[in-house]
Amino acid sequence: AQSVTQPDIHITVSEGASLELRCNYSYGATPYLFWYVQSPGQGLQLLLKYFSGDTLVQGIKGFEAEFKRSQSSFNLRKPSVHWSDAAEYFCAVGARGGYQKVTFGTGTKLQVIP
Amino acid sequence: EAEVAQSPRYKITEKSQAVAFWCDPISGHATLYWYRQILGQGPELLVQFQDESVVDDSQLPKDRFSAERLKGVDSTLKIQPAELGDSAMYLCASGSPFSGATGELFFGEGSRLTVL
Repeated sequence: AQSVTQPDIHITVSEGASLELRCNYSYGATPYLFWYVQSPGQGLQLLLKYFSGDTLVQGIKGFEAEFKRSQSSFNLRKPSVHWSDAAEYFCAVGARGGYQKVTFGTGTKLQVIP
Repeated sequence: EAEVAQSPRYKITEKSQAVAFWCDPISGHATLYWYRQILGQGPELLVQFQDESVVDDSQLPKDRFSAERLKGVDSTLKIQPAELGDSAMYLCASGSPFSGATGELFFGEGSRLTVL
């Protein structure tokens, strides 16, 4: 069965500082990988996704993520955080083939301080 | 821009009552998902449809929850009877995450359920 672990429940960073959110997945082969962001009381919005090819993927709002097969990781990064980035971030893994089940992690809540 | 529509946005009910949520996916999306998100947790898949067929309902509490997508378009998720532990956000998503131009799930804004 596929699963996702986000070890950091809550992270606080200063505005302008760099950010890295950790994500580890469990899947029998190379999965599809996603990062979504959720503002309070809202649905989820896709930041970026990895399907194949280049292991460094660029997303919206200046985010990027790197797929590391050897570490089963897909960490999200941003070089300079803005106050508007405060939200909850979810990593997700998708199964290749079959009915394309997508499983989410428990999320990391990002707080940005001035 | 096309969106996934959900209603109601908010629902307050007493335990043992029946509750229903509706979702209208983006036109043309064959796959529809219902997720439950308890406060402070990640979305948990309840049921997944491919067109009108259920392809995964392994985490759906079938003694009280039911879901249908009769014509392969919009969908309804029902809870009867509601319990206190059902208080959560119910998220609907549609798409074909691994195909098409964007390859993602599109989420609605969710239906927040509070059971008293």
